[in-house]
Amino acid sequence: DMQMTQSPSSLSASVGDRVTITCRASQNINKYLNWFQQKPGKAPKLLIYAASNLQSGVPSRFSGSGSGTDFALTIISLQPEDFATYYCQQTYSSPFTFGPGTRVDIK
Amino acid sequence: QVQMVQSEAEVKKPGASVKVSCKASGYTFTDYYVHWVRQAPGQGLEWMGWINPNSDYTDHAQKFQGRVTMTRDTSISTAFMELSRLRSDDTAVYYCARSKSGNYYYYMDVWGKGTTVTVSS
Repeated sequence: DMQMTQSPSSLSASVGDRVTITCRASQNINKYLNWFQQKPGKAPKLLIYAASNLQSGVPSRFSGSGSGTDFALTIISLQPEDFATYYCQQTYSSPFTFGPGTRVDIK
Repeated sequence: QVQMVQSEAEVKKPGASVKVSCKASGYTFTDYYVHWVRQAPGQGLEWMGWINPNSDYTDHAQKFQGRVTMTRDTSISTAFMELSRLRSDDTAVYYCARSKSGNYYYYMDVWGKGTTVTVSS
């Protein structure tokens, strides 16, 4: 199975900060990489698909980049509603594995 | 509006089976695959598999081989996920989510609210 890693596993940040979360695949996955945000007790929400495409309705402060094995999710000017856990997921090969998640909390 | 409504929480004994339903509305059911993802308490997301409601084709993670069955009833726009021989580590919230048929990025854009399955003796 494709292994996905994320770093950091958690981070503390302030409102207005720029935050970058990285995701690495164990093999080349081209651009088959999606990003989700999850808040406690809620279902995940799609933010970015195919590595760099912003899902409809998602604020433009979120962006995704990368291809191959290394990817990044960047949030410019972190907002209070952005404190959550973020997951990457590869859909290049089955099973469509998720990364372990990155928790973003308030400094 | 587009939504996926899941069945209510279940409590099961070890060794039993559970069948979770996911009713789609607001879109053409057969135009989207349905994925199943679970999340154990305090843990991350785990993709279980998907079904193509149009063809009935399914694919699932090898770890669930022999225990998971994914089906659908197009007449009521509903997908089902049945997990058998339940163990305590199957205790989790089970989500359904859709991705557009024929789009091989398989990105899940609409999710159900989740069904809590508790396995306890």
